[in-house]
Amino acid sequence: QQQVKQSPQSLIVQKGGISIINCAYENTAFDYFPWYQQFPGKGPALLIAIRPDVSEKKEGRFTISFNKSAKQFSLHIMDSQPGDSATYFCAASLSQSGGSNYKLTFGKGTLLTVNP
Amino acid sequence: KAGVTQTPRYLIKTRGQQVTLSCSPISGHRSVSWYQQTPGQGLQFLFEYFSETQRNKGNFPGRFSGRQFSNSRSEMNVSTLELGDSALYLCASSKTGPGVNYGYTFGSGTRLTVV
Repeated sequence: QQQVKQSPQSLIVQKGGISIINCAYENTAFDYFPWYQQFPGKGPALLIAIRPDVSEKKEGRFTISFNKSAKQFSLHIMDSQPGDSATYFCAASLSQSGGSNYKLTFGKGTLLTVNP
Repeated sequence: KAGVTQTPRYLIKTRGQQVTLSCSPISGHRSVSWYQQTPGQGLQFLFEYFSETQRNKGNFPGRFSGRQFSNSRSEMNVSTLELGDSALYLCASSKTGPGVNYGYTFGSGTRLTVV
């Protein structure tokens, strides 16, 4: 059962453009939503994360938009640069301790290519 | 500050063999998680350890096992290797656990190839 669905699988944008990656989740108990960036040969690195008590979080050129009622969240990369070319993963988790928590459920990833 | 260290980086094994992968977390991190990454299935959770106790386990067969030592270093073992076990195995560490603490840091992984 795929609990976090990510789209698109791949994305090509021009330098300076806006990259948008979308994710939808099923478990309404999820309350922590991070995005990870992965370069070839490296492990995923935390980019930005949001909790459902806010609808938007911005860090530099990266913004997460969160829609609790639709159970969707998205990553926007403004002024995309060739150095942003990587695979991006959304994820979801339960932040409270105990039980079957203590894991991140990942989307299947989006390969972003930013052309110069 | 040293990151999460995984050894070895690359490994080639034959079907039926067993393999042990090692993970040294960031100093002070007591939670260690393991994930399997494949092109088809993406990142899938294997298990999580905190203070030598397994707190959660993913939907993998019993051939996959792990443990954590008193210094928080962790190992995972795969017995009776199958071709489908070929993957990048990632270890991540944090102070208290994924989701509970933002500081969830991945290592660069061990690339396992089963032939």
